[in-house]
Amino acid sequence: EDKVVQSPLSLVVHEGDTVTLNCSYEVTNFRSLLWYKQEKKAPTFLFMLTSSGIEKKSGRLSSILDKKELFSILNITATQTGDSAIYLCAVEGNTGNQFYFGTGTSLTVIP
Amino acid sequence: DAGVIQSPRHEVTEMGQEVTLRCKPISGHNSLFWYRQTMMRGLELLIYFNNNVPIDDSGMPEDRFSAKMPNASFSTLKIQPSEPRDSAVYFCASRAGTAYNEQFFGPGTRLTVL
Repeated sequence: EDKVVQSPLSLVVHEGDTVTLNCSYEVTNFRSLLWYKQEKKAPTFLFMLTSSGIEKKSGRLSSILDKKELFSILNITATQTGDSAIYLCAVEGNTGNQFYFGTGTSLTVIP
Repeated sequence: DAGVIQSPRHEVTEMGQEVTLRCKPISGHNSLFWYRQTMMRGLELLIYFNNNVPIDDSGMPEDRFSAKMPNASFSTLKIQPSEPRDSAVYFCASRAGTAYNEQFFGPGTRLTVL
């Protein structure tokens, strides 16, 4: 059964801390892995990863994929209260438009 | 571009009533997805369309759910009859092409079935 598992389920940190969010997957015919940020509305796209070992970076956020070990991490450095959200990991299989989402990591950044 | 548009944003109905959720994808996007999100189960893919054709509806919970896409700019998700366990946020998403492109999500419809 195809699945995506995220950890931890929730996380509370102080402003300025660095956090690492994990996503492991078992998906037939992997095509891509995507990270989304969801505040109190729709998920918004952060990164798409297709190749192992190539870091994607956007400001304080970065992500990397390991296709051998079947996982990805999302790092956030110097966290701010605006980073508080649910972070979703999704994996696209190669059998058409099939997306599998994890249940998300709820991040709370306190001042 | 206005992004993916969904209506209504909130819907409160009584058990047994028919509910119709609407979605307008981003112009030029040829794939459309319907998701349901709950605290217990997270985001679940219900059905997706490619070029207006339903490709995979295996995520549709049961026969009470149906979805249509009569043209490239409009889709509906219907629940008839609705039940309290259908209460959730329903998202519509669209994307261009068939691979290696991210999905863009609409604002969602929060459905409450009493």
